[in-house]
Amino acid sequence: NAGVTQTPKFQVLKTGQSMTLQCAQDMNHEYMSWYRQDPGMGLRLIHYSVGAGITDQGEVPNGYNVSRSTTEDFPLRLLSAAPSQTSVYFCASSYSALPQETQYFGPGTRLLVL
Amino acid sequence: GENVEQHPSTLSVQEGDSAVIKCTYSDSASNYFPWYKQELGKRPQLIIDIRSNVGEKKDQRIAVTLNKTAKHFSLHITETQPEDSAVYFCAARTTTGNQFYFGTGTSLTVIP
Repeated sequence: NAGVTQTPKFQVLKTGQSMTLQCAQDMNHEYMSWYRQDPGMGLRLIHYSVGAGITDQGEVPNGYNVSRSTTEDFPLRLLSAAPSQTSVYFCASSYSALPQETQYFGPGTRLLVL
Repeated sequence: GENVEQHPSTLSVQEGDSAVIKCTYSDSASNYFPWYKQELGKRPQLIIDIRSNVGEKKDQRIAVTLNKTAKHFSLHITETQPEDSAVYFCAARTTTGNQFYFGTGTSLTVIP
């Protein structure tokens, strides 16, 4: 199993540009999520999904869209990038949405918005 | 929603000493508490977790304790080694939602 994979590893955008961060998992996990990590602020949840076709907002959803058309993929879209979205983005997954399920992280995408 | 606070933000210990990191949470419905280790430039990786029906859990040099009444849980690392140097995050997940809430992290440095 490749586990949780993310592409790209690094991206530079100009303000106003759009892009999609890709996330995929091959563990048949139902629950997937996106976090952003900023210095001194830990990991903050952007959006999550408890299964194909179901998504919901996390703590910091503004400026981001998600969709979940398949169990494997959970892309994160930035419609109009802003410098405040400069961050490291992590995708994570767990077998189910049950509270005790362990969450596994992808390698991260480092995004710089100029 | 849940609020997780983590202390200290930085911690330096001599090799061989113990390190303790503490987290508090606000939602009494939280029932799963994982700890993650993140090395520089890498992804967070689960090192130990505890469920609310357990008071303590050990795995070699790492242990986690949970006090549900006081709503706090702690990570204990004994006989620290330089390779333990990393940022450690605590988290809480509630039965009422589908979200993990993370602490702000503790940067641990083990001095050889």
